[in-house]
Amino acid sequence: ETGVTQTPRHLVMGMTNKKSLKCEQHLGHNAMYWYKQSAKKPLELMFVYNFKEQTENNSVPSRFSPECPNSSHLFLHLHTLQPEDSALYLCASSQDRVTEKLFFGSGTQLSVL
Amino acid sequence: KQEVTQIPAALSVPEGENLVLNCSFTDSAIYNLQWFRQDPGKGLTSLLLIQSSQREQTSGRLNASLDKSSGRSTLYIAASQPGDSATYLCARTSGSRLTFGEGTQLTVNP
Repeated sequence: ETGVTQTPRHLVMGMTNKKSLKCEQHLGHNAMYWYKQSAKKPLELMFVYNFKEQTENNSVPSRFSPECPNSSHLFLHLHTLQPEDSALYLCASSQDRVTEKLFFGSGTQLSVL
Repeated sequence: KQEVTQIPAALSVPEGENLVLNCSFTDSAIYNLQWFRQDPGKGLTSLLLIQSSQREQTSGRLNASLDKSSGRSTLYIAASQPGDSATYLCARTSGSRLTFGEGTQLTVNP
């Protein structure tokens, strides 16, 4: 147990659906991240939030919409996704952006049909 | 262009063997170098974090080294066990960006 919890663990959605991924950390960290892990590719950073403010958007398509209502919670809202968006979506947190020792959740395995 | 490269992509060893995983990076101006472990279908677990001013870190049977001049890091696993079977990823930090390699898939056979 890393202290970072992601729900759901698995998600299957159609291209016209709207769904949300949730991440919660109980570590008192101030920075939270969304990463995408596709088969046979390195992890790709998607978004970074520091003290609830988005500090980085790695050219992610607008069909992915992050939300960070407080330092403990992070959401990724999904709409009109494409089959190539199927991947493992990982949430992580760190004490701050300088420390960079990341604690990861178990991920949400997303399949877009 | 691949910024972080891990060799080999896959490795299978008998139990008890000592082994070395390699990580190379193109940008020597790094801040930190981290090694992670990922079990199938799971998230990543941080194993070792080497600050840029450090040359190595040790935790139990694991030892990671960092050579910024050559752009390389190694993860040494002593007396490997079947429970060590997983994918091992290295990631380097430069500025505010953490860049991952593709990982080495390790299988330790009983």
